[in-house]
Amino acid sequence: NAGVTQTPKFQVLKTGQSMTLQCAQDMNHNSMYWYRQDPGMGLRLIYYSASEGTTDKGEVPNGYNVSRLNKREFSLRLESAAPSQTSVYFCASSNTGLSEEQFFGPGTRLTVL
Amino acid sequence: RKEVEQDPGPFNVPEGATVAFNCTYSNSASQSFFWYRQDCRKEPKLLMSVYSSGNEDGRFTAQLNRASQYISLLIRDSKLSDSATYLCVVKQNGTSYGKLTFGQGTILTVHP
Repeated sequence: NAGVTQTPKFQVLKTGQSMTLQCAQDMNHNSMYWYRQDPGMGLRLIYYSASEGTTDKGEVPNGYNVSRLNKREFSLRLESAAPSQTSVYFCASSNTGLSEEQFFGPGTRLTVL
Repeated sequence: RKEVEQDPGPFNVPEGATVAFNCTYSNSASQSFFWYRQDCRKEPKLLMSVYSSGNEDGRFTAQLNRASQYISLLIRDSKLSDSATYLCVVKQNGTSYGKLTFGQGTILTVHP
C-alpha cells in the first residue's frame, strides 16, 4: 500500500496563477483533510471531507476550494495564488471513529512569488 | 489564547538523557489526545495516543491531567534517532470525523 500520496512535491507559482494539489489514499478511509503548515503556527486545517460527497471548511479556508472526487481522492485548488499561501501543504486521511489515527502524505512545498 | 500550546524549545540533550515535553489545551471538552512526531521536512506520524490513566510505549510515557488540561510526554534514554519535532494534538468534543487541533511543536535535538 502506498498510503497517502500527494502531487506535486514542489511548486513555484506567480501571484495570481492557479493550481490544483492532488491527494489520493489507498487505505479505504472515509475522511480526508487538507492542512497547511507554517513556521511557528503548527498545522492548520484548511478543508476536510468527513465522507465521500461531503466537504466542509476548516480553520483557514479563504482562498482555497476542494473537491472530493471519490472515496480515494481529495484535491485542493488555489484559484488565484497569493504570497500568503506560501506554505507546506499536507493531505491526510483517517477512518471515522473516536480515536482514529490520521495518516499524512509527504507534503507539497508551495512558493508563491 | 491558542487552543493547544507547547514550549517550542529547542531542547538539546545528550544521548541517554531523559527529557519531558508539556502541552496545555484550552477546551475542557476535548476528548482525545495524541503525540505525533515529525522529522525534518517530513510528514507528521502518530507516536502514541494519550489515555486518561497514562500509557507507556517502550521509552516513551504519556500522561494526561484533565483537571489541569495538561498533557506530557517523557522520553527516557534518548537516542540520536529521537531528534525530531513533537506535536501535541487534541481532538475536540463532538467531532466524530476526526477534526484535530495541533500545537506548534517542540523541537528536540539529541547529540552524541
